[in-house]
Amino acid sequence: GAGVSQSPSNKVTEKGKDVELRCDPISGHTALYWYRQSLGQGLEFLIYFQGNSAPDKSGLPSDRFSAERTGGSVSTLTIQRTQQEDSAVYLCASSFRQGDYEQYFGPGTRLTVT
Amino acid sequence: GENVEQHPSTLSVQEGDSAVIKCTYSDSASNYFPWYKQELGKRPQLIIDIRSNVGEKKDQRIAVTLNKTAKHFSLHITETQPEDSAVYFCAASKSAGGSQGNLIFGKGTKLSVKP
Repeated sequence: GAGVSQSPSNKVTEKGKDVELRCDPISGHTALYWYRQSLGQGLEFLIYFQGNSAPDKSGLPSDRFSAERTGGSVSTLTIQRTQQEDSAVYLCASSFRQGDYEQYFGPGTRLTVT
Repeated sequence: GENVEQHPSTLSVQEGDSAVIKCTYSDSASNYFPWYKQELGKRPQLIIDIRSNVGEKKDQRIAVTLNKTAKHFSLHITETQPEDSAVYFCAASKSAGGSQGNLIFGKGTKLSVKP
C-alpha cells in the first residue's frame, strides 16, 4: 500500500515568511509524528497526534511552530516568521497507534530559509 | 526528559568484519528501543527493535542487546557488506505514561563498509 507522503519535497523561503508543510500518513494509522533533522544531526521530536486526543506539543522549539491534524488523517506543520535556523529536513512519521509500534517515515520536506 | 547518547559518530570497517554501535538512555521508564537505518538522501527505515522485557534479539546478520540496569543498548552487525553503509540511529521511547510513543533519537553513526 501507499506509504507516508509529504509535500512539498523542497521549499525555499525568505526569512520572515510563513511556510506550511503537509503530511499524508498511512491509511488507518492513528498516530502521527513530526521530527526535524538538521544537517548531520539526529532527528529531533517536534509534535505528535494520537487519534482525536490533544497533541503532545512538548518538542516544539518555539511558538512560531504549530501543527494541525484534520479528520484524524492529514497533518500540516506551520512555521511562522521563518528564521535561518529553521532550515532543516522536516520528517513526518505515522504508526498504527502510539506506543511501541513501528513508525514509518515519509521522504521529508527540505526547508531552506534564505 | 529522555536523553539518548550514541557512539561512535563514525565507524569504518572492512567488508566481512563486525560493527557495533552503542547507545545509552537516561529515562528508566523508556521501554522500547528501535534502530533506524538512513541511506543518503532517503528516509529512515526501521531495521530492528527491542522491548524492555527481553535482553537480546536477532534478525539474520543484525542483533540488538539491551541492559536495563545499565540503561544501554547496542546494535551488532556481523559479516558487514558494502550495502550496510549508511547512518544508523538508535532511539528510545515509552509505551505508557506521559509522552508515549515519541522517539528520542541519538545523533547517529555513519557506518562505512570498505570492500
